[in-house]
Amino acid sequence: DAGVIQSPRHEVTEMGQEVTLRCKPISGHDYLFWYRQTMMRGLELLIYFNNNVPIDDSGMPEDRFSAKMPNASFSTLKIQPSEPRDSAVYFCASSLAGVLLSGNTIYFGEGSWLTVV
Amino acid sequence: AQKITQTQPGMFVQEKEAVTLDCTYDTSDPSYGLFWYKQPSSGEMIFLIYQGSYDQQNATEGRYSLNFQKARKSANLVISASQLGDSAMYFCAMREGVGSARQLTFGSGTQLTVLP
Repeated sequence: DAGVIQSPRHEVTEMGQEVTLRCKPISGHDYLFWYRQTMMRGLELLIYFNNNVPIDDSGMPEDRFSAKMPNASFSTLKIQPSEPRDSAVYFCASSLAGVLLSGNTIYFGEGSWLTVV
Repeated sequence: AQKITQTQPGMFVQEKEAVTLDCTYDTSDPSYGLFWYKQPSSGEMIFLIYQGSYDQQNATEGRYSLNFQKARKSANLVISASQLGDSAMYFCAMREGVGSARQLTFGSGTQLTVLP
């Protein structure tokens, strides 16, 4: 089975440019998460969706960040305008809902490595 | 307060030996799950093992086992017979609540290096 698929894997962009990261969750998963990983702050949750609806976006750092999930198989994380401090690895992850069972772990994509210069 | 604490920024182990990576957690929720993920230098996050708060036995997955001590709020990962390919960053994480999905809260990670 295909895992969580993210694109692009690597992106280098200039400050001020718009960046769009894309994610396809595992088929059938109804929760989708966007995480950011930096050396300073570790792994932090930005936003998560349930059945395509944003549930908690309290981790989104600023209005420059936005995320959408137009359907069950696609989500985007957009940064506009980008700044050097946005340089990080951005992970998309997906999960089934329900009680805490071993099968309901959160599976991560390979990450999108963003560098803003 | 930190919900997940990993006190070992770096660990070294000789190939074929066992190693324990520490993790303590803090929650007042009686229902929670504890996870370990491996992140090799290539960057992906790989799920290793899960322990539920109501599980009576320690979880095991191949060479990975979880030493779950509920009263101490610790969930240490034990890797037996270490291999060079085990060199990676290891993250402990917790998910709280029952009945709906919650986010994972991660520790700061432990960088494990397996020596030949």
